Amino acid sequence: EVVLTQSPATLSLSPGERATLSCRASQNVSNYLAWYQQKPGQAPRLLIYDASNRATGIPARFSGSGSGTDFTLSISSLEPEDFAVYFCQQRLNWPPLTFGGGTKVEIK
Amino acid sequence: VQLLESGGGLVQPGGSLRLSCAASGFTFTSYVMTWFRQAPGKGVEWVSAIGNAGGSTFYADSVRGRFTISRDTSKNTLYLQMTSLRADDTAVYYCAKGGPGLDMFFNDWGQGTLVSVSS
Repeated sequence: EVVLTQSPATLSLSPGERATLSCRASQNVSNYLAWYQQKPGQAPRLLIYDASNRATGIPARFSGSGSGTDFTLSISSLEPEDFAVYFCQQRLNWPPLTFGGGTKVEIK
Repeated sequence: VQLLESGGGLVQPGGSLRLSCAASGFTFTSYVMTWFRQAPGKGVEWVSAIGNAGGSTFYADSVRGRFTISRDTSKNTLYLQMTSLRADDTAVYYCAKGGPGLDMFFNDWGQGTLVSVSS
């Protein structure tokens, strides 16, 4: 099973600042990694797939990079609606599909 | 695209429950369908998946032998039959599907249905 480790657990930033989130895989997942955003009481929302492709309707301030075992989600300038929890997910070696534990981006 | 889960509720340990996910707005038989769950305050866990023709099924180790996934193409509905429920099965359960080019990434999710296992 591929274990995904996200860091930091919590990121405290102000609107307008840049956010950088990390996801590390326990084995090579190539570029088969996605990022999701989740707000309280809502289902996850797909932001990035195949490490760097923005999903339909996702603003350009969200970008993904990385391959192999180290991945990054960047939010260039935080908007008020971006404060949420972010998860990464891999699909190369499944079953099982696995998710990281999440990074909470909170308002400083 | 709409995915609407139902069937959640409070059940005693050892009990059973069947979740449904009514799908609309897309060709149901074209997509792998998947169940996820999220325990209160926790991360997302993959539970089960079923191939677009229904012939292939996949389960997380934590539910294999207790949960059964199925789909009724005449009703455009996905199911999750849950038996021998335990306290650690308590979670919001989501059904989800991918999209063209997404394979096993998920851009369409239901709103979730809460399953609580408690005496």
